[in-house]
Amino acid sequence: EPEVTQTPSHQVTQMGQEVILRCVPISNHLYFYWYRQILGQKVEFLVSFYNNEISEKSEIFDDQFSVERPDGSNFTLKIRSTKLEDSAMYFCATRGVGELFFGEGSRLTVL
Amino acid sequence: AQTVTQSQPEMSVQEAETVTLSCTYDTSENNYYLFWYKQPPSRQMILVIRQEAYKQQNATENRFSVNFQKAAKSFSLKISDSQLGDTAMYFCAFMKHEGYSTLTFGKGTMLLVSP
Repeated sequence: EPEVTQTPSHQVTQMGQEVILRCVPISNHLYFYWYRQILGQKVEFLVSFYNNEISEKSEIFDDQFSVERPDGSNFTLKIRSTKLEDSAMYFCATRGVGELFFGEGSRLTVL
Repeated sequence: AQTVTQSQPEMSVQEAETVTLSCTYDTSENNYYLFWYKQPPSRQMILVIRQEAYKQQNATENRFSVNFQKAAKSFSLKISDSQLGDTAMYFCAFMKHEGYSTLTFGKGTMLLVSP
């Protein structure tokens, strides 16, 4: 069964550093998403991406965040200058027919 | 905007028994999807069951079934013959039918299945 793949599974970084989280979507899917889950809280929408541009973004997705799909395979989320409150699980998802498929998540710890 | 409410932060059930998790939602849309996702300690998001709003018949997947009440905007999950492996966080979620729509999640219900 096709799956969404995310790397790294866990990253520890210092506050102020840049972080790039990577996602390989399911090959024939066209809509991609990033979600965030702070420990113990609900899953929150960050951004959706279609046809190489952002379709929608939440208020969480400020100027510190960016997304791109530079090589047609990896879909990346970049956090430019990490803050302590960016510590969370980040999920990539792609949309099939009436369903989102989630990756296993990337845990980001900011020290 | 859509909202999803799960009013039970935690639930407990004994192995082999049945448990029902509640979910209500608010939307002005007529065509949409509803989901239950399971998140075990590994924190992966696993789709449990999906319901399309235009279908009157309640979705079932083995031991998992839903009670979808469109007029009441209610979407509860029933787990029959609970197993220890069902211990997880369960999230109810809503998605509009449009192509690029996002998922809106509830806050989740932590289900603990005990022997």
